[in-house]
Amino acid sequence: SQQGEEDPQALSIQEGENATMNCSYKTSINNLQWYRQNSGRGLVHLILIRSNEREKHSGRLRVTLDTSKKSSSLLITASRAADTASYFCATDPFETSGSRLTFGEGTQLTVNP
Amino acid sequence: DTGVSQNPRHKITKRGQNVTFRCDPISEHNRLYWYRQTLGQGPEFLTYFQNEAQLEKSRLLSDRFSAERPKGSFSTLEIQRTEQGDSAMYLCASRGRRKYEQYFGPGTRLTVT
Repeated sequence: SQQGEEDPQALSIQEGENATMNCSYKTSINNLQWYRQNSGRGLVHLILIRSNEREKHSGRLRVTLDTSKKSSSLLITASRAADTASYFCATDPFETSGSRLTFGEGTQLTVNP
Repeated sequence: DTGVSQNPRHKITKRGQNVTFRCDPISEHNRLYWYRQTLGQGPEFLTYFQNEAQLEKSRLLSDRFSAERPKGSFSTLEIQRTEQGDSAMYLCASRGRRKYEQYFGPGTRLTVT
């Protein structure tokens, strides 16, 4: 079963707007990662945040992590049509770090030009 | 291209037939993972290798599934006596030493008729 749950399941915005996606999880983690998947393709790693970090930036991406609430958010600023994709959070569990990633069900982001 | 490659990209087979997929990871990566993804869902972990050793298998991996990674390089995933429920995208990923992010291949889409 999937540990992570993304919210919302689908998000449609206009180009230039910001997009925020949320992820909740259940167990202790070593780190949390966000991936992007274009339709019918493999996943691309976007950003990783460790359990002792609260916020991380990479280009137009900002990730936050609240381990007390077991939640994370991904913010994409100044969105572009090319950002249209599914976005997944994935947790790397503390006890078995490195053995597997547990993915959520994803948020389908549509950026309209 | 030095990314993860998977072959074939698409496979259509009849129920009851055996199929085998191949994954070539990034050459210096010692860890290799197999995931399965169905439409509208996030990837689900199947199994992973560290070098040639298969260290973990999911409960999803029934006895009809077998994976190998001879010599710690490429890996194969075989499904025997395929069932319609096996229809999915099979994703391979690899990971380097002292890194947590995984690099995914484009996937093999299996359709069982």
